[in-house]
Amino acid sequence: EPEVTQTPSHQVTQMGQEVILRCVPISNHLYFYWYRQILGQKVEFLVSFYNNEISEKSEIFDDQFSVERPDGSNFTLKIRSTKLEDSAMYFCASSRDRVYSSGNTIYFGEGSWLTVV
Amino acid sequence: EDQVTQSPEALRLQEGESSSLNCSYTVSGLRGLFWYRQDPGKGPEFLFTLYSAGEEKEKERLKATLTKKESFLHITAPKPEDSATYLCAVGKTSYDKVIFGPGTSLSVIP
Repeated sequence: EPEVTQTPSHQVTQMGQEVILRCVPISNHLYFYWYRQILGQKVEFLVSFYNNEISEKSEIFDDQFSVERPDGSNFTLKIRSTKLEDSAMYFCASSRDRVYSSGNTIYFGEGSWLTVV
Repeated sequence: EDQVTQSPEALRLQEGESSSLNCSYTVSGLRGLFWYRQDPGKGPEFLFTLYSAGEEKEKERLKATLTKKESFLHITAPKPEDSATYLCAVGKTSYDKVIFGPGTSLSVIP
Protein backbone atom coordinates (compact mmCIF):
# COMPACT_ATOMS: atom_id res chain seq x y z
CA GLU A 1 0.00 0.00 0.00
CA PRO A 2 1.35 3.46 -0.89
CA GLU A 3 2.52 5.50 2.09
CA VAL A 4 3.78 8.90 3.10
CA THR A 5 7.40 8.74 4.22
CA GLN A 6 9.12 11.24 6.49
CA THR A 7 12.73 11.94 7.44
CA PRO A 8 14.29 12.24 9.91
CA SER A 9 12.29 10.17 12.38
CA HIS A 10 13.87 12.08 15.25
CA GLN A 11 15.94 15.26 15.39
CA VAL A 12 17.45 17.13 18.29
CA THR A 13 18.40 20.75 17.64
CA GLN A 14 19.67 23.73 19.56
CA MET A 15 17.30 26.64 20.13
CA GLY A 16 17.72 29.20 17.36
CA GLN A 17 18.90 26.69 14.77
CA GLU A 18 17.15 26.03 11.47
CA VAL A 19 15.51 22.68 10.87
CA ILE A 20 14.20 21.10 7.68
CA LEU A 21 11.78 18.20 7.88
CA ARG A 22 11.32 16.17 4.73
CA CYS A 23 8.42 14.20 3.35
CA VAL A 24 7.69 12.12 0.28
CA PRO A 25 3.91 12.18 -0.28
CA ILE A 26 2.02 9.43 -2.06
CA SER A 27 2.93 9.68 -5.73
CA ASN A 28 -0.42 10.51 -7.36
CA HIS A 29 -1.52 12.91 -4.63
CA LEU A 30 -1.86 16.61 -5.31
CA TYR A 31 -2.58 18.10 -1.86
CA PHE A 32 0.02 18.18 0.87
CA TYR A 33 -0.18 19.09 4.54
CA TRP A 34 1.82 19.53 7.70
CA TYR A 35 0.30 18.90 11.11
CA ARG A 36 1.96 18.80 14.48
CA GLN A 37 1.26 17.17 17.84
CA ILE A 38 2.82 18.44 21.03
CA LEU A 39 3.25 15.60 23.51
CA GLY A 40 -0.08 14.76 25.14
CA GLN A 41 -2.04 17.27 23.04
CA LYS A 42 -4.26 17.28 19.97
CA VAL A 43 -3.06 16.94 16.40
CA GLU A 44 -3.03 20.52 15.05
CA PHE A 45 -3.15 21.76 11.48
CA LEU A 46 -0.25 23.88 10.28
CA VAL A 47 -0.49 24.32 6.52
CA SER A 48 -1.91 22.92 3.30
CA PHE A 49 -0.19 23.17 -0.09
CA TYR A 50 -1.52 22.73 -3.60
CA ASN A 51 -0.25 23.63 -7.04
CA ASN A 52 3.00 24.98 -5.60
CA GLU A 53 1.42 27.40 -3.21
CA ILE A 54 -0.03 27.52 0.27
CA SER A 55 -3.80 27.07 0.13
CA GLU A 56 -4.45 27.47 3.83
CA LYS A 57 -2.45 28.02 7.00
CA SER A 58 -3.14 28.21 10.72
CA GLU A 59 -2.20 30.88 13.24
CA ILE A 60 0.66 28.63 14.34
CA PHE A 61 2.24 28.84 10.88
CA ASP A 62 3.96 32.19 11.32
CA ASP A 63 6.98 33.72 9.56
CA GLN A 64 9.43 31.25 11.10
CA PHE A 65 7.79 28.43 9.12
CA SER A 66 7.95 27.82 5.39
CA VAL A 67 7.07 24.97 3.05
CA GLU A 68 8.45 24.00 -0.31
CA ARG A 69 8.11 21.34 -2.95
CA PRO A 70 11.65 21.53 -4.35
CA ASP A 71 11.15 18.76 -6.90
CA GLY A 72 8.46 16.38 -8.11
CA SER A 73 8.57 14.11 -5.08
CA ASN A 74 9.64 15.92 -1.90
CA PHE A 75 7.71 18.28 0.34
CA THR A 76 9.59 20.10 3.09
CA LEU A 77 8.82 22.08 6.23
CA LYS A 78 11.48 24.56 7.32
CA ILE A 79 11.56 26.10 10.78
CA ARG A 80 13.92 29.06 10.60
CA SER A 81 14.83 29.75 14.21
CA THR A 82 13.59 27.02 16.48
CA LYS A 83 12.13 27.71 19.90
CA LEU A 84 11.66 25.36 22.83
CA GLU A 85 7.92 25.34 22.20
CA ASP A 86 8.47 23.96 18.68
CA SER A 87 9.27 20.60 20.25
CA ALA A 88 6.60 18.28 18.86
CA MET A 89 5.88 15.45 16.46
CA TYR A 90 5.44 16.84 12.96
CA PHE A 91 3.25 14.87 10.58
CA CYS A 92 3.25 15.21 6.83
CA ALA A 93 0.07 14.15 5.03
CA SER A 94 -1.21 13.98 1.50
CA SER A 95 -4.46 13.47 -0.37
CA ARG A 96 -5.51 13.04 -3.97
CA ASP A 97 -8.21 15.67 -3.78
CA ARG A 98 -9.41 18.45 -1.50
CA VAL A 99 -10.29 17.51 2.10
CA TYR A 100 -13.97 18.15 1.55
CA SER A 101 -14.28 16.18 -1.69
CA SER A 102 -16.45 13.13 -1.37
CA GLY A 103 -14.49 9.93 -1.06
CA ASN A 104 -11.21 11.70 -0.40
CA THR A 105 -8.84 10.41 2.26
CA ILE A 106 -5.91 12.14 3.95
CA TYR A 107 -2.98 9.80 4.60
CA PHE A 108 -0.44 10.62 7.28
CA GLY A 109 3.22 9.76 7.60
CA GLU A 110 4.80 8.26 10.71
CA GLY A 111 6.05 11.64 11.88
CA SER A 112 9.29 13.44 12.65
CA TRP A 113 9.89 13.98 16.32
CA LEU A 114 11.61 17.33 16.88
CA THR A 115 13.25 18.11 20.20
CA VAL A 116 14.55 21.66 20.72
CA VAL A 117 17.05 22.06 23.56
CA GLU B 1 -16.02 28.48 17.01
CA ASP B 2 -15.54 25.00 15.55
CA GLN B 3 -15.05 22.35 18.16
CA VAL B 4 -14.52 18.61 18.30
CA THR B 5 -14.69 16.76 21.60
CA GLN B 6 -14.29 13.08 22.38
CA SER B 7 -15.37 10.95 25.29
CA PRO B 8 -14.31 9.19 27.30
CA GLU B 9 -10.74 10.45 27.51
CA ALA B 10 -9.59 6.92 28.34
CA LEU B 11 -11.32 3.54 28.27
CA ARG B 12 -10.17 0.25 29.66
CA LEU B 13 -11.96 -2.89 28.43
CA GLN B 14 -11.61 -6.56 29.00
CA GLU B 15 -11.00 -8.58 25.87
CA GLY B 16 -14.39 -9.30 24.31
CA GLU B 17 -16.18 -6.49 26.17
CA SER B 18 -17.91 -4.33 23.54
CA SER B 19 -18.23 -0.57 23.94
CA SER B 20 -18.58 2.75 22.09
CA LEU B 21 -16.48 5.87 21.76
CA ASN B 22 -18.13 9.23 21.20
CA CYS B 23 -17.14 12.19 19.05
CA SER B 24 -19.24 15.36 19.35
CA TYR B 25 -18.76 18.28 17.02
CA THR B 26 -19.88 21.85 16.59
CA VAL B 27 -18.84 22.77 13.09
CA SER B 28 -20.46 24.96 10.50
CA GLY B 29 -20.43 23.48 7.03
CA LEU B 30 -19.43 19.94 8.01
CA ARG B 31 -17.98 18.09 5.08
CA GLY B 32 -16.80 14.72 6.29
CA LEU B 33 -16.14 13.17 9.67
CA PHE B 34 -13.00 11.04 9.85
CA TRP B 35 -11.90 8.36 12.28
CA TYR B 36 -8.23 7.55 12.69
CA ARG B 37 -6.30 5.16 14.88
CA GLN B 38 -3.00 6.30 16.38
CA ASP B 39 -0.47 4.00 18.00
CA PRO B 40 2.10 5.51 20.41
CA GLY B 41 4.78 7.46 18.54
CA LYS B 42 3.12 6.86 15.17
CA GLY B 43 1.07 8.82 12.68
CA PRO B 44 -2.74 8.65 12.44
CA GLU B 45 -3.93 5.65 10.45
CA PHE B 46 -7.12 6.19 8.46
CA LEU B 47 -10.16 4.11 9.42
CA PHE B 48 -13.39 5.67 8.09
CA THR B 49 -14.99 8.73 6.52
CA LEU B 50 -18.66 9.52 7.06
CA TYR B 51 -20.48 12.26 5.18
CA SER B 52 -24.15 12.29 6.12
CA ALA B 53 -26.35 11.60 9.13
CA GLY B 54 -27.43 7.98 9.21
CA GLU B 55 -24.37 6.74 7.40
CA GLU B 56 -22.54 3.70 8.80
CA LYS B 57 -19.20 2.13 7.92
CA GLU B 58 -17.70 -1.14 9.17
CA LYS B 59 -14.24 -2.64 9.25
CA GLU B 60 -13.54 -5.84 11.17
CA ARG B 61 -14.57 -5.20 14.80
CA LEU B 62 -15.19 -1.48 14.27
CA LYS B 63 -18.35 0.28 13.16
CA ALA B 64 -18.69 4.03 12.79
CA THR B 65 -22.01 5.87 12.75
CA LEU B 66 -22.91 9.53 12.25
CA THR B 67 -25.73 11.77 13.45
CA LYS B 68 -26.15 15.52 13.00
CA LYS B 69 -24.18 16.30 16.16
CA GLU B 70 -22.02 13.30 16.91
CA SER B 71 -20.38 10.15 15.73
CA PHE B 72 -19.87 6.84 17.50
CA LEU B 73 -17.16 4.28 17.02
CA HIS B 74 -18.51 0.93 18.19
CA ILE B 75 -15.98 -1.75 19.04
CA THR B 76 -17.38 -5.28 19.11
CA ALA B 77 -15.52 -8.00 21.03
CA PRO B 78 -12.24 -6.06 21.13
CA LYS B 79 -8.85 -7.74 21.20
CA PRO B 80 -5.62 -6.46 22.81
CA GLU B 81 -4.35 -5.40 19.39
CA ASP B 82 -7.19 -2.85 19.22
CA SER B 83 -5.45 -0.90 21.99
CA ALA B 84 -4.62 2.55 20.60
CA THR B 85 -5.80 6.14 20.64
CA TYR B 86 -8.79 6.72 18.40
CA LEU B 87 -8.99 10.17 16.85
CA CYS B 88 -11.99 11.87 15.38
CA ALA B 89 -11.56 14.73 12.90
CA VAL B 90 -13.91 16.89 10.86
CA GLY B 91 -13.59 18.57 7.50
CA LYS B 92 -15.37 21.70 6.44
CA THR B 93 -16.65 22.89 3.10
CA SER B 94 -14.08 25.11 1.39
CA TYR B 95 -11.38 24.44 3.98
CA ASP B 96 -8.20 22.49 3.19
CA LYS B 97 -7.76 21.07 6.67
CA VAL B 98 -9.29 18.73 9.19
CA ILE B 99 -9.86 19.61 12.85
CA PHE B 100 -8.94 16.86 15.27
CA GLY B 101 -10.49 16.00 18.59
CA PRO B 102 -8.31 15.12 21.59
CA GLY B 103 -8.75 11.37 21.13
CA THR B 104 -9.86 8.43 23.26
CA SER B 105 -7.12 6.17 24.58
CA LEU B 106 -8.38 2.58 24.48
CA SER B 107 -6.73 -0.24 26.41
CA VAL B 108 -7.96 -3.79 25.90
CA ILE B 109 -6.83 -6.15 28.63
CA PRO B 110 -6.43 -9.90 27.85
